[in-house]
Amino acid sequence: AQSVTQPDIHITVSEGASLELRCNYSYGATPYLFWYVQSPGQGLQLLLKYFSGDTLVQGIKGFEAEFKRSQSSFNLRKPSVHWSDAAEYFCAVGANTGTASKLTFGTGTRLQVTL
Amino acid sequence: DGGITQSPKYLFRKEGQNVTLSCEQNLNHDAMYWYRQDPGQGLRLIYYSQIVNDFQKGDIAEGYSVSREKKESFPLTVTSAQKNPTAFYLCASSDSKGLAQVEQFFGPGTRLTVL
Repeated sequence: AQSVTQPDIHITVSEGASLELRCNYSYGATPYLFWYVQSPGQGLQLLLKYFSGDTLVQGIKGFEAEFKRSQSSFNLRKPSVHWSDAAEYFCAVGANTGTASKLTFGTGTRLQVTL
Repeated sequence: DGGITQSPKYLFRKEGQNVTLSCEQNLNHDAMYWYRQDPGQGLRLIYYSQIVNDFQKGDIAEGYSVSREKKESFPLTVTSAQKNPTAFYLCASSDSKGLAQVEQFFGPGTRLTVL
């Protein structure tokens, strides 16, 4: 069975500082990996995804993530955080199930940005 | 603009009442999903549908029912059998072709509160 662990429940960073959110997954085959962001009371927006190929993936809003198979990790990074990045971030691993997909989500990391 | 709409945004229900949450998509996606989100627990899959007139239980289907009479619509009914229905409900959809079926697009969510 697939699973995702986000070890940090809550992270606080200063505006302009760098950010790294951790994600570890468990999956038997090559994983399809995602990072989503959620503002309070809103739906989920896709930041970036990894299917195959280059292990460093660029996403929207200046985010990137690196897939490390040896560590079963897919950590999200941003070099300089903006106050508008304050939100909850979810890592997910996906699998095909015929003509649909199964996404398993981590429990999320809430990011607070101080000015 | 293509996307997923959910209505209403906020819903209040008395104990013992059934309530139906609406989800509509105009992305021409075959697959649709319902998730429940509780604080600190990430997203959990309730039901999903790969095609019209077909649906499967997810991880927490008890106390919920769905229908898929049209490709664009996937309503979720929260029945009186659901013991703890207060939560944020998210609808999603995905394409059915190749790797695109793994990526899910989310609606803005409905917050259900049982009084």
